[in-house]
Amino acid sequence: GQNIDQPTEMTATEGAIVQINCTYQTSGFNGLFWYQQHAGEAPTFLSYNVLDGLEEKGRFSSFLSRSKGYSYLLLKELQMKDSASYLCVYNQGGKLIFGQGTELSVKP
Amino acid sequence: DAGVTQSPTHLIKTRGQHVTLRCSPISGHKSVSWYQQVLGQGPQFIFQYYEKEERGRGNFPDRFSARQFPNYSSELNVNALLLGDSALYLCASSLEGQGNYGYTFGSGTRLTVV
Repeated sequence: GQNIDQPTEMTATEGAIVQINCTYQTSGFNGLFWYQQHAGEAPTFLSYNVLDGLEEKGRFSSFLSRSKGYSYLLLKELQMKDSASYLCVYNQGGKLIFGQGTELSVKP
Repeated sequence: DAGVTQSPTHLIKTRGQHVTLRCSPISGHKSVSWYQQVLGQGPQFIFQYYEKEERGRGNFPDRFSARQFPNYSSELNVNALLLGDSALYLCASSLEGQGNYGYTFGSGTRLTVV
């Protein structure tokens, strides 16, 4: 089967750190993406993990454990503009399977 | 370089009508995928095309069809529109068919069926 679970909503304070968790179950897996999507706009690429471990890119980091079917996105030094939906997505041989998204609200 | 371009940006159609949505991938990208995003949900896979051949089809009725042209642009066609087809339709462009180099999304076509 194909299943992705991530929290529906999260709230954090400007300047803080937030971790968005994602678990997945799949019979075929090529890698895991995280995308950011502002309301009414296209998803934009944040990270892609193929192997286990942590990938760091500026204020954003993403972690993958293939054996546990688990990933997280870590956002540091939160800014108001980080308020958006964060989509956990796995790549199944070129077909992207999206979670429902986590709506992050950053408060002053 | 232009990114992924989709047209039209917005569209209003009546139930039972037909619609054609268009997508031009990033120059050099040979794969185009289509996704449907209903409000409040993540995008759902509809089709993937690579080198003008269909590589995958999601769980959508036969009213949905697509094709890719020699210049790698693509069209998504939906016949006999239903109210439930109202959604944001996203096109994703990638260098090859496995997604190993990532995907770039267009801004989408917002389809409203009344």
